[in-house]
Amino acid sequence: AQTVTQSQPEMSVQEAETVTLSCTYDTSENNYYLFWYKQPPSRQMILVIRQEAYKQQNATENRFSVNFQKAAKSFSLKISDSQLGDTAMYFCAFMTNDYKLSFGAGTTVTVRA
Amino acid sequence: ETGVTQSPTHLIKTRGQQVTLRCSSQSGHNTVSWYQQALGQGPQFIFQYYREEENGRGNFPPRFSGLQFPNYSSELNVNALELDDSALYLCASSYTTGGRVTDTQYFGPGTRLTVL
Repeated sequence: AQTVTQSQPEMSVQEAETVTLSCTYDTSENNYYLFWYKQPPSRQMILVIRQEAYKQQNATENRFSVNFQKAAKSFSLKISDSQLGDTAMYFCAFMTNDYKLSFGAGTTVTVRA
Repeated sequence: ETGVTQSPTHLIKTRGQQVTLRCSSQSGHNTVSWYQQALGQGPQFIFQYYREEENGRGNFPPRFSGLQFPNYSSELNVNALELDDSALYLCASSYTTGGRVTDTQYFGPGTRLTVL
């Protein structure tokens, strides 16, 4: 069974600063996909960034970037130049060839003005 | 491009009743997955539908059932509601081609179900 662990229940960051969210996962599969989703108070789950396990290059989407360490089974998310609109719950998720998402418990990020 | 929509937004039922939740997939998507998100937790996979058939199921009892229609919209039905069924139910759509489901799923806003 695949498991996803997010060890930080809550993180707080000053506007314009950087915050890093940690995520580890456990799998025996070699081919898989990793995602970070954002869920603001509006409840809509929004895709932030995705990473294919066979790609060594870390994915980047504007202010969001990941540090993917396959051997360590680690997939952290860095939010640079934090904005008030980044305040949300962030979920790390994992998918193998069965195409179902397994989510972590989430990290609540609060951006302070 | 039309995103994933779900109805209703909120629903209150009593224990033992039955409920039907609805989802319209994103334009161009033919695969629908359903997730249950209890308060303060990450979503849990319920099942996935493709070509009007169940294409994978998580650890949920048979009283959770679904349908997919020719227009790719979907329903989640829950019979004999229990208090623990209170949760946010999320629908996600994706695209399957050549028997292979694409990896990225796009979520709807969810239906908040409260069971009293």
